[in-house]
Amino acid sequence: GENVEQHPSTLSVQEGDSAVIKCTYSDSASNYFPWYKQELGKGPQLIIDIRSNVGEKKDQRIAVTLNKTAKHFSLHITETQPEDSAVYFCAASGDITASKLTFGTGTRLQVTL
Amino acid sequence: DADVTQTPRNRITKTGKRIMLECSQTKGHDRMYWYRQDPGLGLQLIYYSFDVKDINKGEISDGYSVSRQAQAKFSLSLESAIPNQTALYFCATSDRTGGIDTQYFGPGTRLTVL
Repeated sequence: GENVEQHPSTLSVQEGDSAVIKCTYSDSASNYFPWYKQELGKGPQLIIDIRSNVGEKKDQRIAVTLNKTAKHFSLHITETQPEDSAVYFCAASGDITASKLTFGTGTRLQVTL
Repeated sequence: DADVTQTPRNRITKTGKRIMLECSQTKGHDRMYWYRQDPGLGLQLIYYSFDVKDINKGEISDGYSVSRQAQAKFSLSLESAIPNQTALYFCATSDRTGGIDTQYFGPGTRLTVL
């Protein structure tokens, strides 16, 4: 089955700096890659996703890049703000409807003032 | 997401007890899921259901059972709870907008088995 590895497990950046979180996946058939943000005491919330036919996708300060050859994808957050502090999870799915997601182990991002 | 609710939010129980966690949604989605989250690990799929008559096992279904009482309700049961089932449990729902099942998560239930 699919295996998703996520690095780093913790990341501390200063406000205004950029943050990058990286994930690798094992199943070359995977074709959908969402990123979730989990704030304390809440469930994960989808923040951005990308399909395998796209190399990059941006939404304001957040971007995701995908390298299918190397089987890795990354989350980029620019101009970080304190409210970006949370745990971020990557996921991958090879199921055509993306119903069965395999999650990474999470990255705790701390944005310091 | 307020459209996906889970009860209870916290539960402490003893080994051997039967426990039911409930999930309700007002999103009108057909698909519902139960996940387990352990510290330092990602979310692991326990069971999922594509409609009221469809139930499927996920990665870690042993020791769990589910019931899809209606489109809006999906319950997870631990028939005889054990301490290593102590975890955070999330329910999720999805639709197929654009051909992708975007999953929306509830707030979670923290379960402790003593």
